[in-house]
Amino acid sequence: GAGVSQSPSNKVTEKGKDVELRCDPISGHTALYWYRQSLGQGLEFLIYFQGNSAPDKSGLPSDRFSAERTGGSVSTLTIQRTQQEDSAVYLCASSPGEVARNEQFFGPGTRLTVL
Amino acid sequence: AQSVAQPEDQVNVAEGNPLTVKCTYSVSGNPYLFWYVQYPNRGLQFLLKYITGDNLVKGSYGFEAEFNKSQTSFHLKKPSALVSDSALYFCAVRDPFYSSASKIIFGSGTRLSIRP
Repeated sequence: GAGVSQSPSNKVTEKGKDVELRCDPISGHTALYWYRQSLGQGLEFLIYFQGNSAPDKSGLPSDRFSAERTGGSVSTLTIQRTQQEDSAVYLCASSPGEVARNEQFFGPGTRLTVL
Repeated sequence: AQSVAQPEDQVNVAEGNPLTVKCTYSVSGNPYLFWYVQYPNRGLQFLLKYITGDNLVKGSYGFEAEFNKSQTSFHLKKPSALVSDSALYFCAVRDPFYSSASKIIFGSGTRLSIRP
């Protein structure tokens, strides 16, 4: 079956512009996560959605970052007024419900470059 | 507070030799432990996990890992390395006492390089 998909695969933008990154989770997965991976670094948690519950936004680095998930499926991560330090690979993952023992299924990521 | 450490940034192994990628953790309760692999320009891919039961866990591509509670370790192993195993490996830990999904912590990653 289809895995997690993300678009675009690459995004180059100018400092100060807004960007939107999209994630399509695996059908039926109720949990969705966004992470940021800087060059050579580990994963930084950004935000988590589970069903109709309020999202866990505790990892968002600033108020320039926001995310929404419509209809419990597709999610969009928006970065306003991008800065050069926002350059990274943004990874989306989904899992079948908020059960601690579930592994996550990752998309291929969106590589964001802010000039 | 929970944490996970991968003490080696890079591991180099000759093809056909056994490999070990180290992971240690710190949690308040009994941990859930995961290994993921990331190939170039790809997302992370699940390899194996320890939840409960047998301390030796077998996963994809011939990898296995042993949960050692006394040493708080979960090292990833493979008896005979392949060049195709070259990738970035992440260990992750989750404390099931926490209900928030943000309480899954990933290590900084270990780059495994297998030379022919």
